[in-house]
Amino acid sequence: GDSVTQMEGPVTLSEEAFLTINCTYTATGYPSLFWYVQYPGEGLQLLLKATKADDKGSNKGFEATYRKETTSFHLEKGSVQVSDSAVYFCALSEEGYNKLIFGAGTRLAVHP
Amino acid sequence: GAGVSQSPRYKVAKRGQDVALRCDPISGHVSLFWYQQALGQGPEFLTYFQNEAQLDKSGLPSDRFFAERPEGSVSTLKIQRTQQEDSAVYLCASSPPWAERAFFGQGTRLTVV
Repeated sequence: GDSVTQMEGPVTLSEEAFLTINCTYTATGYPSLFWYVQYPGEGLQLLLKATKADDKGSNKGFEATYRKETTSFHLEKGSVQVSDSAVYFCALSEEGYNKLIFGAGTRLAVHP
Repeated sequence: GAGVSQSPRYKVAKRGQDVALRCDPISGHVSLFWYQQALGQGPEFLTYFQNEAQLDKSGLPSDRFFAERPEGSVSTLKIQRTQQEDSAVYLCASSPPWAERAFFGQGTRLTVV
């Protein structure tokens, strides 16, 4: 079945460092890919998405490119802030259906 | 309302007790999903409604789990004879027609003691 694998955390960075969180997926069709973020004490929020190969999703300085050839959707940010500290989830949904399959999550801690 | 609302936020149940978790989706959202998130894990799909119809319940872990959405808005997830392994955060999400994004509630944290 479909699945998502993302790098284990926690990831600890200094402010203004470069961030990469790896995500790879397995799917039978042509899924849409998402990054969701969970800030402390809050619900899951959509961070960005991409619906087809080579699409780039971006939001709040974060980017991820849908790479069909490597079945990947790595999350990047050029300069992280303390306020980016959260748990990040990579997810997919099969076309035509909004059911999400999540990775295990990666906790990011950014310190001043 | 402004967002997806879930109640209660926290629930402690004794093993063997029945519980009911409520989800109020965003008004007008046709699709409603329930997910179970164990500690340190990603959410796992439980069930899906389109209006009042339960179209997918493949993720329900046992016949002790039951969900309903009788009028196509509020949904209730019921767990009968709770077990310790049911301890988790239960998330509800809703989405409008043809939209490829889900809006999540803050979840109900269930602890079975």
